[in-house]
Amino acid sequence: AAGVIQSPRHLIKEKRETATLKCYPIPRHDTVYWYQQGPGQDPQFLISFYEKMQSDKGSIPDRFSAQQFSDYHSELNMSSLELGDSALYFCASSRTRGRGYTFGSGTRLTVV
Amino acid sequence: GIQVEQSPPDLILQEGANSTLRCNFSDSVNNLQWFHQNPWGQLINLFYIPSGTKQNGRLSATTVATERYSLLYISSSQTTDSGVYFCAVESTGGFKTIFGAGTRLFVKA
Repeated sequence: AAGVIQSPRHLIKEKRETATLKCYPIPRHDTVYWYQQGPGQDPQFLISFYEKMQSDKGSIPDRFSAQQFSDYHSELNMSSLELGDSALYFCASSRTRGRGYTFGSGTRLTVV
Repeated sequence: GIQVEQSPPDLILQEGANSTLRCNFSDSVNNLQWFHQNPWGQLINLFYIPSGTKQNGRLSATTVATERYSLLYISSSQTTDSGVYFCAVESTGGFKTIFGAGTRLFVKA
């Protein structure tokens, strides 16, 4: 069965650089969620999209932005990267709000 | 916002033992999920269980929504069960799921 695809798997960036993370949800899933997980922490909700519209927002810095495209894939854009942005970034998708989530394998971002 | 508390924070088991993990939440929820994060960081959805009881092999879960708690039962634990178990809830009126701090489980051979 198709899963949630995230790319890249690993990313190393320098401070003040920009990074773009991509997420391809499971086909026919209409909701996409982005989470950030720091070392030893629980995943923190960043932002979600339902039918290509932003549906909810969490603790996402102003330096970050995200969107969902017509083919339902989503991108998380991160600018002016800081050391503290180093984390595992997960994307999840679900079919119809309130159903179970399927997570991608995550993108491990390291800012040096 | 909604608060999610998990207990115990850490658990060490001998292979073959049984365990119960608890999740308490502070408000009404649309849904509740249990996830397992393996040592490689992968998050696996174990149960979508806003209420009632479900079983999947050696794992089962029960959510009592009216009393705002959920339990995850692991029977005959195996070393591959090691990792972090997260409870995550979606509060009513939102599109975000909030995670608890997790229970870190280590199963010894």
